[in-house]
Amino acid sequence: AQSVTQLGSHVSVSEGALVLLRCNYSSSVPPYLFWYVQYPNQGLQLLLKYTSAATLVKGINGFEAEFKKSETSFHLTKPSAHMSDAAEYLCAVSVGTNAGKSTFGDGTTLTVKP
Amino acid sequence: DTGVSQNPRHKITKRGQNVTFRCDPISEHNRLYWYRQTLGQGPEFLTYFQNEAQLEKSRLLSDRFSAERPKGSFSTLEIQRTEQGDSAMYLCASSRSRQGAYEQYFGPGTRLTVT
Repeated sequence: AQSVTQLGSHVSVSEGALVLLRCNYSSSVPPYLFWYVQYPNQGLQLLLKYTSAATLVKGINGFEAEFKKSETSFHLTKPSAHMSDAAEYLCAVSVGTNAGKSTFGDGTTLTVKP
Repeated sequence: DTGVSQNPRHKITKRGQNVTFRCDPISEHNRLYWYRQTLGQGPEFLTYFQNEAQLEKSRLLSDRFSAERPKGSFSTLEIQRTEQGDSAMYLCASSRSRQGAYEQYFGPGTRLTVT
């Protein structure tokens, strides 16, 4: 069975600083990996996905993530934080040639200080 | 795409009552998923459909929970004899089943409060 661990339930950065949100996965087969953003009382919005093509994936709003198989990691980064980036970020994994459900981490709350 | 819609957005019910939620997926998506999310946790998978067939159910889904997707379009999730532990956000998502494109599009969720 697959699993996801997000290190750090809360991350705080200053506006303009680097954002780094950590995600490690466990899977016995090649995974599909996703990062979602969730604003209060809203559904999840896809930021980016890894589907076995390029290991460096660019997403919306200036975010990107790098798939590192040797480290079983898929960390999310953004060079310069904006106030509007404050939200909950969720990493997820799906597996299999007919991947269905996603398994999510517990999320990381990002706070951006002015 | 008009997006995934869920109704109602909020539901307050008394313990022991039955509740039903509806999800309308993106029209060309043949897969539909239900998840449950409690405070401080990521979404937990409950069940999913491909067209009208229910392909997988989580062990989390007790006998009080039932989901249907009768014509392969909208889906309903019913909880019978609600308990306070059922209080959560219930999220619906849809996707295509084309290989390599498994991203799921989520609805805004239905927040259930059981008093």
